[in-house]
Amino acid sequence: NAGVTQTPKFQVLKTGQSMTLQCAQDMNHEYMSWYRQDPGMGLRLIHYSVGAGITDQGEVPNGYNVSRSTTEDFPLRLLSAAPSQTSVYFCASSYSPTGVYTFGSGTRLTVV
Amino acid sequence: KQEVTQIPAALSVPEGENLVLNCSFTDSAIYNLQWFRQDPGKGLTSLLLIQSSQREQTSGRLNASLDKSSGRSTLYIAASQPGDSATYLCAVRSLSDSNYQLIWGAGTKLIIKP
Repeated sequence: NAGVTQTPKFQVLKTGQSMTLQCAQDMNHEYMSWYRQDPGMGLRLIHYSVGAGITDQGEVPNGYNVSRSTTEDFPLRLLSAAPSQTSVYFCASSYSPTGVYTFGSGTRLTVV
Repeated sequence: KQEVTQIPAALSVPEGENLVLNCSFTDSAIYNLQWFRQDPGKGLTSLLLIQSSQREQTSGRLNASLDKSSGRSTLYIAASQPGDSATYLCAVRSLSDSNYQLIWGAGTKLIIKP
């Protein structure tokens, strides 16, 4: 089925560990973004990309890196995990920055 | 800076009732507004997108209205069903943001009692 695929669905990390959250879409969308969702708060933008080779920072980029080598993939890297990064992470894609977003099912990350 | 508020944070109503969810925003210069649904443990599903030039959008039992001058949008759900239970989020794109990033409300958790 067409859509946005995120892996893994759940992850537990120790403080200081690094990992990569994967995001892939098969809709040929140019625009992709990463959000985190914390209890009682709206989604906050971490990083986004308007096309292959182009990325930019969102509202809360510290501690995260991204790259966009292909249209399909937009991985999010945690460089040195901290308890403050415990959250649910969502990847989204759209045909344009102002269009309808399609979201992945999320990755629930716990940092201990 | 654009801020989006959704009140109440939670709402419980009996099945069959018509209901209204509220979304307010502080900067009326918006590009568009979207309503999403989020089921527990799942991603977000886009329900309706209203462009700044539109007053309302309809999809099935859902109707979303937009009043830019008052900084408000409402999501009307007709004849509610238990399957409508979910968290509903609204998000706004401001004209002042050249990248048109979505600014999100914290959501309203809706419970429809059978």
